[in-house]
Amino acid sequence: DQQVKQNSPSLSVQEGRISILNCDYTNSMFDYFLWYKKYPAEGPTFLISISSIKDKNEDGRFTVFLNKSAKHLSLHIVPSQPGDSAVYFCAASVFGAGGTSYGKLTFGQGTILTVHP
Amino acid sequence: EAGVAQSPRYKIIEKRQSVAFWCNPISGHATLYWYQQILGQGPKLLIQFQNNGVVDDSQLPKDRFSAERLKGVDSTLKIQPAKLEDSAVYLCASSLVSGGRTDTQYFGPGTRLTVL
Repeated sequence: DQQVKQNSPSLSVQEGRISILNCDYTNSMFDYFLWYKKYPAEGPTFLISISSIKDKNEDGRFTVFLNKSAKHLSLHIVPSQPGDSAVYFCAASVFGAGGTSYGKLTFGQGTILTVHP
Repeated sequence: EAGVAQSPRYKIIEKRQSVAFWCNPISGHATLYWYQQILGQGPKLLIQFQNNGVVDDSQLPKDRFSAERLKGVDSTLKIQPAKLEDSAVYLCASSLVSGGRTDTQYFGPGTRLTVL
């Protein structure tokens, strides 16, 4: 059961344009969402996050939007740069009452972003 | 500040052999995670430690996988015996506090395992 889905395996954009990466989830208990970026031969690195009490969070060129009713979030990168070329993973977590879900992340399959000069 | 260290970076073994991976988290990080990332998929949590205790191992195939975190610092993940479907990148991550939802997880570079 794929609870977090990134339906676009890849995305190609021109430098300076906007990149929009999408993510859908099915578990309505998820209340915290993150985006990670991964370069080849490296581990994922944290990019930006959003709590379910918000619908937008911005950090420089990166903005994450959350639509809880649609169970959808997106990452916008403006303007896109060649150095942004990487695999982007969406992840979600549940604030479990029992504490055993603390920190447990469920990841999507990833989207390969290529930014052309 | 040194990041999460993992070794080896690459490992090739025959099926039914044993293999072990080592992880050294960021100094002072209480929580340590092992993830399995199969090609084309996102990382999947195998086991989560808080200090030297197991918090979550619900997705760890316990008939062949084992993990320990002695003294609450380094950790070892073992597979015995390995199967073809264990071919994946094994990622170790750590977070500062008690694994709270807002604690950033810092990942190591991973160990790429190929089972022939």
